[in-house]
Amino acid sequence: DQQVKQNSPSLSVQEGRISILNCDYTNSMFDYFLWYKKYPAEGPTFLISISSIKDKNEDGRFTVFLNKSAKHLSLHIVPSQPGDSAVYFCAASEGGSARQLTFGSGTQLTVLP
Amino acid sequence: EAQVTQNPRYLITVTGKKLTVTCSQNMNHEYMSWYRQDPGLGLRQIYYSMNVEVTDKGDVPEGYKVSRKEKRNFPLILESPSPNQTSLYFCASSLVNSPLHFGNGTRLTVT
Repeated sequence: DQQVKQNSPSLSVQEGRISILNCDYTNSMFDYFLWYKKYPAEGPTFLISISSIKDKNEDGRFTVFLNKSAKHLSLHIVPSQPGDSAVYFCAASEGGSARQLTFGSGTQLTVLP
Repeated sequence: EAQVTQNPRYLITVTGKKLTVTCSQNMNHEYMSWYRQDPGLGLRQIYYSMNVEVTDKGDVPEGYKVSRKEKRNFPLILESPSPNQTSLYFCASSLVNSPLHFGNGTRLTVT
């Protein structure tokens, strides 16, 4: 049973609009959450993270929101750009680790010009 | 340039023929790990290593071996590959409690 779920395999958004990518988890021991971005033929690259002691973390156009009671997190990209088109993986860990990660299945984001 | 290098990038082999996928990092990271990516399943950890001569199983270790004789290298060994090991493999490394740096992947097909 997958402990980290990304229920939308794909998402299309118009350039300049907001992209919202969602992630749900089932393991209540998870306390650190990360988003990775992956372009074709490349490895995933770290994008942004959030600890369970926070409910929001912002880095430029990227903001991650965490709702612990709902076991839900989301990544907001504003404004979306064509270069943001990639697969986005949500990942979670216990003990604040940035390394021992459980990944979701990914969401393919396409930003249309 | 700081990077994690995997070789080969693409590999087609037959069932039962032993193979090794190499992974090397030039960032002096003590932690290294192998993942496989399959459609609908995301990335799943195969093995990881906290430091030289220290390795441990991840979530899907069956059919794989690893070794960590040097800090920079972490090869993944398939002693007797089977078709269900057809997948996209990623090596990653990191410093203490820092996000993982991934290599560009090795696409393995076992026929």
